[in-house]
Amino acid sequence: DTAVSQTPKYLVTQMGNDKSIKCEQNLGHDTMYWYKQDSKKFLKIMFSYNNKELIINETVPNRFSPKSPDKAHLNLHINSLELGDSAVYFCASSQDQQRRQYFGPGTRLTVT
Amino acid sequence: KNQVEQSPQSLIILEGKNCTLQCNYTVSPFSNLRWYKQDTGRGPVSLTIMTFSENTKSNGRYTATLDADTKQSSLHITASQLSDSASYICVVSEITGGFKTIFGAGTRLFVKA
Repeated sequence: DTAVSQTPKYLVTQMGNDKSIKCEQNLGHDTMYWYKQDSKKFLKIMFSYNNKELIINETVPNRFSPKSPDKAHLNLHINSLELGDSAVYFCASSQDQQRRQYFGPGTRLTVT
Repeated sequence: KNQVEQSPQSLIILEGKNCTLQCNYTVSPFSNLRWYKQDTGRGPVSLTIMTFSENTKSNGRYTATLDADTKQSSLHITASQLSDSASYICVVSEITGGFKTIFGAGTRLFVKA
């Protein structure tokens, strides 16, 4: 069974559009994360949610907003997409911030 | 300068050989250090996690070491297999009021037959 799933796997869209990426985990974890992996393969944390509370926000533009309808889901909404937003976005979850993180398969976003 | 530096950037070895990847960090205060394996087009998968009090942790053919005094870690891969070809990412977490996780750029390993 898939532990951390993301949809869609690929997303191609034009500048200025608004899009969402969904993430679900069935591990019963309390903490979920969103990461951006750029072309240089650096993984940078964007958000972390613990029991529906935002606990990390690494200077991400406010065009990005995480939404957690429940503990098992953390969706990423992006408004007014820009070319520089093109990257692979990974969702992850962990029991708590000290434990290992389980990553989703990633969503490749291409902004044209 | 990234607080987590990995070396080498890339490495090519023959199947069956051993190799060691390095990770130096300046993150402080240190909470834990993790090694992840990331296959092309996939999310990272955890290999090991160590706190400051642990010196070594093994996971099959993968053995990670940690020297919290010199702030160095290594990942040793024994008897490499073709499936070991991937990026290996060192991740260090710190605790300063909040909680921060810093990823290294990774070492790209190619195992050739």
